[in-house]
Amino acid sequence: NAGVTQTPKFQVLKTGQSMTLQCAQDMNHNSMYWYRQDPGMGLRLIYYSASEGTTDKGEVPNGYNVSRLNKREFSLRLESAAPSQTSVYFCASRAAGGGQPQHFGDGTRLSIL
Amino acid sequence: DQQVKQNSPSLSVQEGRISILNCDYTNSMFDYFLWYKKYPAEGPTFLISISSIKDKNEDGRFTVFLNKSAKHLSLHIVPSQPGDSAVYFCAARSFYGGSQGNLIFGKGTKLSVKP
Repeated sequence: NAGVTQTPKFQVLKTGQSMTLQCAQDMNHNSMYWYRQDPGMGLRLIYYSASEGTTDKGEVPNGYNVSRLNKREFSLRLESAAPSQTSVYFCASRAAGGGQPQHFGDGTRLSIL
Repeated sequence: DQQVKQNSPSLSVQEGRISILNCDYTNSMFDYFLWYKKYPAEGPTFLISISSIKDKNEDGRFTVFLNKSAKHLSLHIVPSQPGDSAVYFCAARSFYGGSQGNLIFGKGTKLSVKP
C-alpha cells in the first residue's frame, strides 16, 4: 500500500548542478503529474503524463524535463539548477475516469544554493 | 489571474464547532471541484469532491456546497476536531481550452482547531 513514492525526500544542490527526482506509483494509474509548491502558493503544475508514452507541459515547465519511463515511473529532471527552483516538489497519479482524484506523494524538499 | 481563489489564508475554530472554508472560481467550464487536506511534511490528501451538476456532497463530517451562480464553493466540517488542523486546498478541473482535465489549485487556507 505504498501509493505514490518520491525519492529523495530532501536534497541540497548548488546552482548549476543537475538532479533527477524520482516518482513511482503502484496503483496502476494512467496519469501522472509533477507539481511545485512555494510558500504561500498553491500547487502549480510543471509537467504531466496522461498515459504511458506521452508527456505535456503544465503551467511552469521552464527549466525542467520529464520522462515517463513506464506506467509506474515518472521522473523530473533539473538540468542546471537555479535558486528560483528551490521548492517542494510533489508527484501525483490518477486513475482513468471522470471524477477520480489525484493521489500525491509526500514530496521532495529541494534547496538550491 | 487566479482562476481558483481562497481568500482566507487562515481560520481558527474551537473544537466541536463548525469550520467553513471558502473558495471562489472564475472559470464556468470547471466540471469537478475537489478539496485536499495537507499536513506539514506530507503530501496533499484527497478529502471530498463535487461534480458541477450537483450542489451538495456529504461524507461523514465533511460537506461541500457548490453555488454555480455565485461561482463559489465551501467546505463544512462538523464537528471540528483538533486533528482537522491542516492546510486545506480547493482545486478545480476543466477539460476545455486544452487543459486536459488538469487541476488548478487555490493557495490554501490554514485551519487551526483549538481544544
